[in-house]
Amino acid sequence: LAKTTQPISMDSYEGQEVNITCSHNNIATNDYITWYQQFPSQGPRFIIQGYKTKVTNEVASLFIPADRKSSTLSLPRVSLSDTAVYYCLVGDNNYGQNFVFGPGTRLSVLP
Amino acid sequence: DTEVTQTPKHLVMGMTNKKSLKCEQHMGHRAMYWYKQKAKKPPELMFVYSYEKLSINESVPSRFSPECPNSSLLNLHLHALQPEDSALYLCASSQGPGNTEAFFGQGTRLTVV
Repeated sequence: LAKTTQPISMDSYEGQEVNITCSHNNIATNDYITWYQQFPSQGPRFIIQGYKTKVTNEVASLFIPADRKSSTLSLPRVSLSDTAVYYCLVGDNNYGQNFVFGPGTRLSVLP
Repeated sequence: DTEVTQTPKHLVMGMTNKKSLKCEQHMGHRAMYWYKQKAKKPPELMFVYSYEKLSINESVPSRFSPECPNSSLLNLHLHALQPEDSALYLCASSQGPGNTEAFFGQGTRLTVV
């Protein structure tokens, strides 16, 4: 499984755009990149997934460069309620391999 | 219904007790998962069931015994646990083993005394 590296923590202010980068240097050809959000004492929640280039949904955007060795989750105009831990996962979708969590990034949004 | 329901929400058990955690989903998902999460750590994958068959066991001690009675239910039987097994136990499901989006329950907060 590809190992992921993320910043341990980040601070931001309300209304700002937040970009969280995940490194996955040994990503395999069949691997997808998936991001989850987790609030304290709750289960993780799926945010977005991509394979290459850019993916956007109503919550976030995911940017993946051509070499796919990193990815960036972009959260537009964060609010206090976006304070959470964000996990980057890399795997090939087969038999739970896509659901091995890395260390995560603790995002704190300040007023 | 996009919910994964876990019961109980909280559980305190002694080291000699036997208890079970339950997980239920009615989304027609055919892959279900158990995770263990310690404070300020990421969830650790324990077991994966695919079409009611155990497909992944991440070297979990035998005092944890999973069971999938049918496609909607997942149990985790607990016996002779240790205090270090105290954690949040999370259940998740996805459409199939090849599907990408998993839905998680709220978890069971387990304390072993």
